Amino acid sequence: DAKTTQPTSMDCAEGRAANLPCNHSTISGNEYVYWYRQIHSQGPQYIIHGLKNNETNEMASLIITEDRKSSTLILPHATLRDTAVYYCSAGIGGTSYGKLTFGQGTILTVHP
Amino acid sequence: NAGVTQTPKFRVLKTGQSMTLLCAQDMNHEYMYWYRQDPGMGLRLIHYSVGEGTTAKGEVPDGYNVSRLKKQNFLLGLESAAPSQTSVYFCASSSYTKNIQYFGAGTRLSVL
Repeated sequence: DAKTTQPTSMDCAEGRAANLPCNHSTISGNEYVYWYRQIHSQGPQYIIHGLKNNETNEMASLIITEDRKSSTLILPHATLRDTAVYYCSAGIGGTSYGKLTFGQGTILTVHP
Repeated sequence: NAGVTQTPKFRVLKTGQSMTLLCAQDMNHEYMYWYRQDPGMGLRLIHYSVGEGTTAKGEVPDGYNVSRLKKQNFLLGLESAAPSQTSVYFCASSSYTKNIQYFGAGTRLSVL
């Protein structure tokens, strides 16, 4: 499984875009990049995932570099409720059991 | 729709006692997982199951046993609890077709 590296913490002003980076230089060709977040010790919550192409859903956008060695999660208009620990993970998608490796994540603090 | 439900939410054990944590999902997911989360260490996979009647070890399986007698339930057992098993335990499930894991709210276990 690919190891992921994220900054320990980041700050963002409310209403601004939050850009959370992740390095996954050892990712293999069939591994997807997944992002989850955990709000105040609740269970982790899925945000978005992608293989090669950039992805967008109602929560966030995911930008994956062409060489797939890194990615960025973008929360376009951060709110106070987005304060959480954000985990980047690499894992096989589709019809395979979905083992995910979670590192320490990035603590995102959104300020008023 | 309840999603993934974990019971109990909190528990305090004495060293050497046994207990079973129950995870139930109502999404008809094939895959189920047990993780533990310790301060500063992210989530670590204990055991997982790819279907009814099958289980497999994750990265930290020692001291735990699991069973999946019914598709919707995944049990995590501690036969002889140790203080090192003080942790927050999360259960998750995902479908065969899409590796998006849905997590329960967690069980906070203290072993004295």
